[in-house]
Amino acid sequence: DQQVKQNSPSLSVQEGRISILNCDYTNSMFDYFLWYKKYPAEGPTFLISISSIKDKNEDGRFTVFLNKSAKHLSLHIVPSQPGDSAVYFCAASPNSWGKLQFGAGTQVVVTP
Amino acid sequence: EAGVAQSPRYKIIEKRQSVAFWCNPISGHATLYWYQQILGQGPKLLIQFQNNGVVDDSQLPKDRFSAERLKGVDSTLKIQPAKLEDSAVYLCASSLEGGGNQPQHFGDGTRLSIL
Repeated sequence: DQQVKQNSPSLSVQEGRISILNCDYTNSMFDYFLWYKKYPAEGPTFLISISSIKDKNEDGRFTVFLNKSAKHLSLHIVPSQPGDSAVYFCAASPNSWGKLQFGAGTQVVVTP
Repeated sequence: EAGVAQSPRYKIIEKRQSVAFWCNPISGHATLYWYQQILGQGPKLLIQFQNNGVVDDSQLPKDRFSAERLKGVDSTLKIQPAKLEDSAVYLCASSLEGGGNQPQHFGDGTRLSIL
């Protein structure tokens, strides 16, 4: 049972434009949502998070939006840069021992 | 600060053989996780330790997988005997404490291939 879904396996965007990555979840017990970025042959790196009491969190070029009623979150990257080319994982956790459920990831390619 | 260290980086074995992976978490991190990432999927939690105690091992195939974290620092994950479907990247992660609001720091993983 896939509780966290990233329905777009890949995304291509031009340098300087906005990248929008989407994530849907089914478990209403999830309280924390995180985005991780992964380069080939490296482990995932934490990018940004949001708790369920907020609907937006911003960190530099990265903004995460949470719509609890729709069980949907998105990651916006503005402006996109070539170094942003990576796989992005959405993850969610209940407010307890932090067992993370990951989505399958979205491969982002930023073209010049 | 040094990151999460894992070894080996790559391992190739035949089915029914055994294999072990090692992880050294970030100094001071009480919580340690082992994940399995199959190609095209997100990481799946196998086991979570808080210090040297097991918090969650509900998705660990206990008939063939085992893990320990002696002294609450380093950890080893063992597979015996290996099956073809165990081919995956095994990731170790650590965090200061358990909890959904604590970002987990990942090592670079061990890529396991079963022939």
